[in-house]
Amino acid sequence: NAGVTQTPKFRVLKTGQSMTLLCAQDMNHEYMYWYRQDPGMGLRLIHYSVGEGTTAKGEVPDGYNVSRLKKQNFLLGLESAAPSQTSVYFCASRPGHPGPLHFGNGTRLTVT
Amino acid sequence: DAKTTQPPSMDCAEGRAANLPCNHSTISGNEYVYWYRQIHSQGPQYIIHGLKNNETNEMASLIITEDRKSSTLILPHATLRDTAVYYCIVSGTGTASKLTFGTGTRLQVTL
Repeated sequence: NAGVTQTPKFRVLKTGQSMTLLCAQDMNHEYMYWYRQDPGMGLRLIHYSVGEGTTAKGEVPDGYNVSRLKKQNFLLGLESAAPSQTSVYFCASRPGHPGPLHFGNGTRLTVT
Repeated sequence: DAKTTQPPSMDCAEGRAANLPCNHSTISGNEYVYWYRQIHSQGPQYIIHGLKNNETNEMASLIITEDRKSSTLILPHATLRDTAVYYCIVSGTGTASKLTFGTGTRLQVTL
């Protein structure tokens, strides 16, 4: 059981480039989440999904898009990266409410 | 989801109990209290959650006041490896249970 796996672990982008972060979970969880964490701050919710084919906005959705075409995968896209999107991105999943979140180990993204 | 208030930092001597408070005075009846911790820059780790009753597992105990407006996470015998940022979160039922994280309490366990 790998749990929640995030790909890639590190990435450096130039301003304006695009990329997709992949989150995969093997626990058959319904809910999946993308958070970002900036230095010295807590986690802020970007987007989340309560089931295959559904997505919803969190606290800081601007500049990001998501897709949940398969239950086990939740993709986070940056269409035109900006330096303000330099952050650590965490993916999480949970079986449903009130089950706990299971987190991945994060993706460290730097936009220059 | 209700907001929470936690002290920004706390210290605890190794081997002693660490008691981390959380205020959630606007909690509603169907909202659970969750505790997570984050060590260095790793992904947050789930510790425990509860609705009304006190809960205990192999990691910690959760004490929720009778009016549910505050709670305390207890690490019974803190070790250096418990040094981390601890997050208290309140989240309700339904598909929009977003689990919003605040800035947490930085617990420093010392020798």
